[in-house]
Amino acid sequence: GAVVSQHPSWVICKSGTSVKIECRSLDFQATTMFWYRQFPKQSLMLMATSNEGSKATYEQGVEKDKFLINHASLTLSTLTVTSAHPEDSSFYICSARRDSNYEQYFGPGTRLTVT
Amino acid sequence: GNSVTQMEGPVTLSEEAFLTINCTYTATGYPSLFWYVQYPGEGLQLLLKATKADDKGSNKGFEATYRKETTSFHLEKGSVQVSDSAVYFCALNNQAGTALIFGKGTTLSVSS
Repeated sequence: GAVVSQHPSWVICKSGTSVKIECRSLDFQATTMFWYRQFPKQSLMLMATSNEGSKATYEQGVEKDKFLINHASLTLSTLTVTSAHPEDSSFYICSARRDSNYEQYFGPGTRLTVT
Repeated sequence: GNSVTQMEGPVTLSEEAFLTINCTYTATGYPSLFWYVQYPGEGLQLLLKATKADDKGSNKGFEATYRKETTSFHLEKGSVQVSDSAVYFCALNNQAGTALIFGKGTTLSVSS
């Protein structure tokens, strides 16, 4: 149990377009999900905390209008990178915090390449 | 602020060698400490954790002891296997259920 999926696993898009990444908890409910970004040979950096039914909380330096987060249900959060630019190319990872025990489970990540 | 520092990799070992990956932290209060492992092509998996000083987390032959006096949580394994090849992340959080703060990760490569 406690599986988190992300879709797509990788995506290539052109500069100026938008890309939506989904994070799903497959077998548990998660009122809270976290979105991280990982650069090569770097740590995972928290971007935002996503809460079902309310606005996401963004970390300092993360543009909320660029990285739109929607947490519409207890099993799904989406991250939309709007007007993507090459510097947005990165590995995006979500984690879902299981409501029953507060343990966090990570998705496999999404590799975004903006050309 | 809170932070995690872990040793730079890559770490290259022969099968059955002893492994240590150092991790130190800076945090206010009494954080919980974690080790996560990321196998190639997969997501992060919790390897072990410790929630208070002197606790020892263990799993799959790996161990780490929460040392408050040295603010450390070093990962050890007595005899590594090729299948242990992965990236290992040390992490902390100050409150249960909050986002994790990660170290940069250490790549371990074990050869037969």
